[in-house]
Amino acid sequence: EAGVAQSPRYKIIEKRQSVAFWCNPISGHATLYWYQQILGQGPKLLIQFQNNGVVDDSQLPKDRFSAERLKGVDSTLKIQPAKLEDSAVYLCASSLDWGNSYEQYFGPGTRLTVT
Amino acid sequence: RKEVEQDPGPFNVPEGATVAFNCTYSNSASQSFFWYRQDCRKEPKLLMSVYSSGNEDGRFTAQLNRASQYISLLIRDSKLSDSATYLCVVRDSSYKLIFGSGTRLLVRP
Repeated sequence: EAGVAQSPRYKIIEKRQSVAFWCNPISGHATLYWYQQILGQGPKLLIQFQNNGVVDDSQLPKDRFSAERLKGVDSTLKIQPAKLEDSAVYLCASSLDWGNSYEQYFGPGTRLTVT
Repeated sequence: RKEVEQDPGPFNVPEGATVAFNCTYSNSASQSFFWYRQDCRKEPKLLMSVYSSGNEDGRFTAQLNRASQYISLLIRDSKLSDSATYLCVVRDSSYKLIFGSGTRLLVRP
């Protein structure tokens, strides 16, 4: 079974530039999550989708971050404009559904460096 | 106060040693508890669930003390391959996972 796919794996941008990340979850998984993991910290949930609807975006900095999952399958996360403090690994995860959120399968992540 | 607190370590132990990690959580309404493992520069993976009665999976034993809001993970007979960061995870009433910052384990030959 194919895992969660993410691209790109690495990205270096200058502050105030824009960047977008892509995620394709495990086939059949209804729930998709985006996390931000800063070095030395655990993953922090940014946004959670159930199919193509947003379940929780309470920790998403909406002035600069946006995400969508238009067809209920793959998803994109965008940052515009980026700040130095956005340097982190952005992890996408999926689970069968909301009730199975304890067992999330993570992608390899996108390592973002903002200079 | 952080919602989930862990000792960052590192815990540096020889092969064959027994090592224990602890974790505390602040929200008494938390629903369920887990340990995830994260290898260096890799993604987190579910290691095991934590039940009030305690549970064991091979060399790993997890325990929960709801009264003290405390979770533990015990690893017996440590292997080199156990070297990783162990993330304590709490699921809240809305099924959101809240991750601790992790405890780093280094097992030396």
